[in-house]
Amino acid sequence: AQKVTQAQTEISVVEKEDVTLDCVYETRDTTYYLFWYKQPPSGELVFLIRRNSFDEQNEISGRYSWNFQKSTSSFNFTITASQVVDSAVYFCALSVRGGANSKLTFGKGITLSVRP
Amino acid sequence: EAQVTQNPRYLITVTGKKLTVTCSQNMNHEYMSWYRQDPGLGLRQIYYSMNVEVTDKGDVPEGYKVSRKEKRNFPLILESPSPNQTSLYFCASSFTGVVTEAFFGQGTRLTVV
Repeated sequence: AQKVTQAQTEISVVEKEDVTLDCVYETRDTTYYLFWYKQPPSGELVFLIRRNSFDEQNEISGRYSWNFQKSTSSFNFTITASQVVDSAVYFCALSVRGGANSKLTFGKGITLSVRP
Repeated sequence: EAQVTQNPRYLITVTGKKLTVTCSQNMNHEYMSWYRQDPGLGLRQIYYSMNVEVTDKGDVPEGYKVSRKEKRNFPLILESPSPNQTSLYFCASSFTGVVTEAFFGQGTRLTVV
């Protein structure tokens, strides 16, 4: 069985602060995929990043960065110099390759509020 | 424009009255799925489809039906809705199953009274 834990439920920061959203996953498969999705107040779900289990390189995209550590089964997301537009619910998700159980397992989400 | 389209966006219905939420994608994706989102529970998968005529249960399939007669469409059917099916529903599609990026519809907010 696969599981994603986002222990933080709500985070509130002031604009320009850095913030890290934690994600811990569980799976017995050696090949798996990790994702982050953003859900802004408008409600749609927006894909941010995908990582496979063989690629532990950290990734940076503008103000966003992701730290994947297999040793701790974590895939954390950091927003540098946060902005009000970053206010959203952020979901971490896990999938394993195909077969009879092809599903994407989501964490419960972290609500990030960035105050001006 | 590449998109997943759900209809309706909002729906209020009464207990027991059959309803269908439509989902259509124009990206020629093989894989489609339905999720429900509830406060404090995140997104949970209802049903998924690996391809035409191939569907399977997700984590919370009770009270729902689906069909995949065409590649682009994946309707969600509630034969006899109950108040515990009040939720925000998302349809999603992806090119090759769950290992690639999922594209989500805009969501359907369903209220069953």
